[in-house]
Amino acid sequence: QTVVTQEPSVSVSPGGTVTLTCGLSSGSVSTSYYPSWYQQTPGQAPRTLIYSTNTRSSGVPDRFSGSILGNKAALTITGAQADDECDYYCVLYMHSGNPWLFGGGTKLTVL
Amino acid sequence: EVQLLESGGGLVQPGGSLRLSCAVSGLTFSAYSMSWVRQAPGKGLECVSTMRDSGDGTYYADSVKGRFTISRDNSKNTLYLQMNSLRVEDTAVYYCAKPAAGSPGYWGQGTLVTVSS
Repeated sequence: QTVVTQEPSVSVSPGGTVTLTCGLSSGSVSTSYYPSWYQQTPGQAPRTLIYSTNTRSSGVPDRFSGSILGNKAALTITGAQADDECDYYCVLYMHSGNPWLFGGGTKLTVL
Repeated sequence: EVQLLESGGGLVQPGGSLRLSCAVSGLTFSAYSMSWVRQAPGKGLECVSTMRDSGDGTYYADSVKGRFTISRDNSKNTLYLQMNSLRVEDTAVYYCAKPAAGSPGYWGQGTLVTVSS
């Protein structure tokens, strides 16, 4: 069974740059998986940050960027702010079986 | 503006049933696959069911297969989730969502389903 892998927790200093990654238990992540990234604060619905690897959703600041790094999808936050502290989920579009495969999420701490 | 509005959640006893609805506006509903995603208390997101845009392809997570049924009415721009034989472990916030692939993803605000005696 294919699993999407994310770091359980990551920390960054205010104003710093951090990269979260999204991998596959078997194989490499490519643009054909249309990786997308979602931000979720406690008690709120997820918010779409990035879709199709590197396209920002409307209203998302340009300090959030998506890419493919090696064999993984990546979300980079530059100039981290206190309110960036929340959970981030990666989702891959699978062309067979479960079409929408979620990672376990990364808890980002800004300190 | 795209809006997804869920309804139908609530408290139900184990073994009971609920039907969730999701009214969608601001996008061409019939053109997109739609999903139900849940989040148990303190846990991550899990896609429990997806229905293709034409309605002829469906996916269910193993944990709900045989108990939940997804459907859609493209004439009403509405997505449904019929949940039968509910278990305590089905307790979660259920989100209606349009998956992001080549186009943006959208989410509703969620509806809470609590299964408890």
